[in-house]
Amino acid sequence: DADVTQTPRNRITKTGKRIMLECSQTKGHDRMYWYRQDPGLGLRLIYYSFDVKDINKGEISDGYSVSRQAQAKFSLSLESAIPNQTALYFCATSEVGGRETQYFGPGTRLLVL
Amino acid sequence: GQSLEQPSEVTAVEGAIVQINCTYQTSGFYGLSWYQQHDGGAPTFLSYNALDGLEETGRFSSFLSRSDSYGYLLLQELQMKDSASYFCAVRDQGVRGSYIPTFGRGTSLIVHP
Repeated sequence: DADVTQTPRNRITKTGKRIMLECSQTKGHDRMYWYRQDPGLGLRLIYYSFDVKDINKGEISDGYSVSRQAQAKFSLSLESAIPNQTALYFCATSEVGGRETQYFGPGTRLLVL
Repeated sequence: GQSLEQPSEVTAVEGAIVQINCTYQTSGFYGLSWYQQHDGGAPTFLSYNALDGLEETGRFSSFLSRSDSYGYLLLQELQMKDSASYFCAVRDQGVRGSYIPTFGRGTSLIVHP
């Protein structure tokens, strides 16, 4: 079974709709991240969380919110989706210290019409 | 903040050796990582350098020169399956003395028969 899972894997929505992307992990890591990937722009950090009561903004947090419901779950919400939020979204986890290697989920492909 | 530069595309033939460079500008440096991402897949960790020198892992090696703010990923005995995007990443300073990753825009490696 995958260590980091994301649901849904694909989603089509309309402008103005609220949408939630979910991430779960069985790696036991405290740290979780949400990234957005656009062609030619690499991976950009949206939000990150170092434990259940900790939420921090990343490089591109505007238009997004997150919830860390438990150590294993980290959700990303688009309160009112817009077309330029069409992208591939990745959740990732890392352990504390050392290399802090990022372990990525399979991604959610989002299309906002 | 951080800034990373890597070529957008590199092409090579099967069996050859290819080098993907990464230069960075950071306010504080804590390590350089490399990730591989196949088309439609999730990024996966390849290597990490915290100190100057070469790290070898099978056909892949990674080099770092902190004085030059420069690193590279070296892929030997190229195989068709090595066709993918490769991202360098540095650790940036996050909240409360923690570290968060910043990724380059990625290099698309195309391996020809």
